[in-house]
Amino acid sequence: DTAVSQTPKYLVTQMGNDKSIKCEQNLGHDTMYWYKQDSKKFLKIMFSYNNKELIINETVPNRFSPKSPDKAHLNLHINSLELGDSAVYFCASSPSGQNTEAFFGQGTRLTVV
Amino acid sequence: AQTVTQSQPEMSVQEAETVTLSCTYDTSESDYYLFWYKQPPSRQMILVIRQEAYKQQNATENRFSVNFQKAAKSFSLKISDSQLGDAAMYFCALLVSNSGYALNFGKGTSLLVTP
Repeated sequence: DTAVSQTPKYLVTQMGNDKSIKCEQNLGHDTMYWYKQDSKKFLKIMFSYNNKELIINETVPNRFSPKSPDKAHLNLHINSLELGDSAVYFCASSPSGQNTEAFFGQGTRLTVV
Repeated sequence: AQTVTQSQPEMSVQEAETVTLSCTYDTSESDYYLFWYKQPPSRQMILVIRQEAYKQQNATENRFSVNFQKAAKSFSLKISDSQLGDAAMYFCALLVSNSGYALNFGKGTSLLVTP
């Protein structure tokens, strides 16, 4: 069974469109995240949710809106897509507390054309 | 603010040899954790090894070990008996107490393993 699963794995869309990436974890974790990996492979935190509440909201355009319907899901909705949004987006989860690693999904490669 | 620096964009090692990947970090927090993640071409992020800052003993996981120098804020990864399957991007990451559990990543080191 996949621990953290994201859909879709690949997404190609035109500029100006709105798209969503879904994430689900079956690990029973309290905290979920969205990370962005740019073309140079640099990984940066975008959002963090703990028990469905937003606890980190890094400086990202407000076109990006995370939504957590329950502890097991954290979806990412992106409005008015731009060329610069092209990247790999990773969902991750971890139990509350610091001494554990984050478990990552397989990533979603978003290409905006 | 927390920073993680990986000064080697690329490294190469021959099969069965040993290679060390460098990582330095900066934080004013006393309670933190350090990780090495591996990202093969499949894109999956895989935890390689974890080190708690309060532990003096260096972590070891099979062929992977770290050299944790707390005073120098250095956290290098040693891969022994390198295998072709070790070829990947390796990311050093820092987790601090007030970060909302989010990881701060270095820019990564691409490891090439040659037969």
